[in-house]
Amino acid sequence: DADVTQTPRNRITKTGKRIMLECSQTKGHDRMYWYRQDPGLGLRLIYYSFDVKDINKGEISDGYSVSRQAQAKFSLSLESAIPNQTALYFCATSSTGGRYNEQFFGPGTRLTVL
Amino acid sequence: EDKVVQSPLSLVVHEGDTVTLNCSYEVTNFRSLLWYKQEKKAPTFLFMLTSSGIEKKSGRLSSILDKKELFSILNITATQTGDSAIYLCAVVPNNDMRFGAGTRLTVKP
Repeated sequence: DADVTQTPRNRITKTGKRIMLECSQTKGHDRMYWYRQDPGLGLRLIYYSFDVKDINKGEISDGYSVSRQAQAKFSLSLESAIPNQTALYFCATSSTGGRYNEQFFGPGTRLTVL
Repeated sequence: EDKVVQSPLSLVVHEGDTVTLNCSYEVTNFRSLLWYKQEKKAPTFLFMLTSSGIEKKSGRLSSILDKKELFSILNITATQTGDSAIYLCAVVPNNDMRFGAGTRLTVKP
């Protein structure tokens, strides 16, 4: 079984809809991250969380919100999706006890906003 | 503003060639630099570098960091078609991670 899973893997939605992307991990890591990847721009950090009560904005948090429901779960919400949020979204985890900031990535969620 | 720049953005070589991928950075508080390989799915970890001048090696791949000139290189010798991927460089300035745009490497038979 994969250590970091994301659901759904693909999603097509319409402008204005609320969307939630979910991430679960079985690695026992305390740190979790959400990134989006756009062609030519690499990976950009949206939000990150170092434990259940800790939420931090990343480079591009506008238009997104997150919830850390448990150590193993970190969800990303788009309250009102817009077409420029069409991207590949990755969840990642890391451990404070492991090699510093080596992150393990989920398989990605491809989101298309029409 | 923290910045990570990779070059070239795209590279096409033939099997057996040696390639050098570049990553330069400007960050306020450098902690480490990481290289990832991304094929069709999620990025997978290659190297983490924290000290200048110490080469990390894994098979045909090697990487080195220069903290004075603020760059790192990733070398791949005797390239194979399986090396075709996007190679991502990421810098850890504080508690987050900043990625470059990546270098798309294509290795032709």
